[in-house]
Amino acid sequence: GAVVSQHPSWVICKSGTSVKIECRSLDFQATTMFWYRQFPKQSLMLMATSNEGSKATYEQGVEKDKFLINHASLTLSTLTVTSAHPEDSSFYICSARDRNGELFFGEGSRLTVL
Amino acid sequence: DAKTTQPPSMDCAEGRAANLPCNHSTISGNEYVYWYRQIHSQGPQYIIHGLKNNETNEMASLIITEDRKSSTLILPHATLRDTAVYYCIVRVHGANSKLTFGKGITLSVRP
Repeated sequence: GAVVSQHPSWVICKSGTSVKIECRSLDFQATTMFWYRQFPKQSLMLMATSNEGSKATYEQGVEKDKFLINHASLTLSTLTVTSAHPEDSSFYICSARDRNGELFFGEGSRLTVL
Repeated sequence: DAKTTQPPSMDCAEGRAANLPCNHSTISGNEYVYWYRQIHSQGPQYIIHGLKNNETNEMASLIITEDRKSSTLILPHATLRDTAVYYCIVRVHGANSKLTFGKGITLSVRP
């Protein structure tokens, strides 16, 4: 099946710094990518929908100025957690949709903010 | 997208069939039933999907009731590596729709 890769798979940063997570569709073009967040023992929560070449659409309660999403090409979307704090520590997962509408998920990126 | 309900957990013995139920009584005519699973600390993995006919692939079988209000995912010979959270999701196929996850069902396969 199609492959979606996230990088880094884990990152530790200091409070107040910004962290960028990349999501790449390796063998298909993805006009739409989705970003999820997952806290321990909870389900995945959709944060935003990212469309290539346009602004992301954020879910209610997700701060767009804190979670910056850029989808500059058909194979790459980035999520930047700005001024990260310990409560932003979470497992961040991206998903990419191919031309047939099927969704494929990345391996996830674990962020720990000290 | 229509909502689904799943029991919180179940277990089965290794080598036996695991039957995971899902209710989706408000499913619309153009919504498919999708199953994903998530092994601990990994991204979700697609398993199977169907509209109204039963489906089978190398991973599992999907049985959808005639009224489409419920379905069952069958892992024919469960292994320890099948221990995961399984999510049943209904969504419109191929459209600009999001994938919304519920709590899923935690399957524990015991030796």
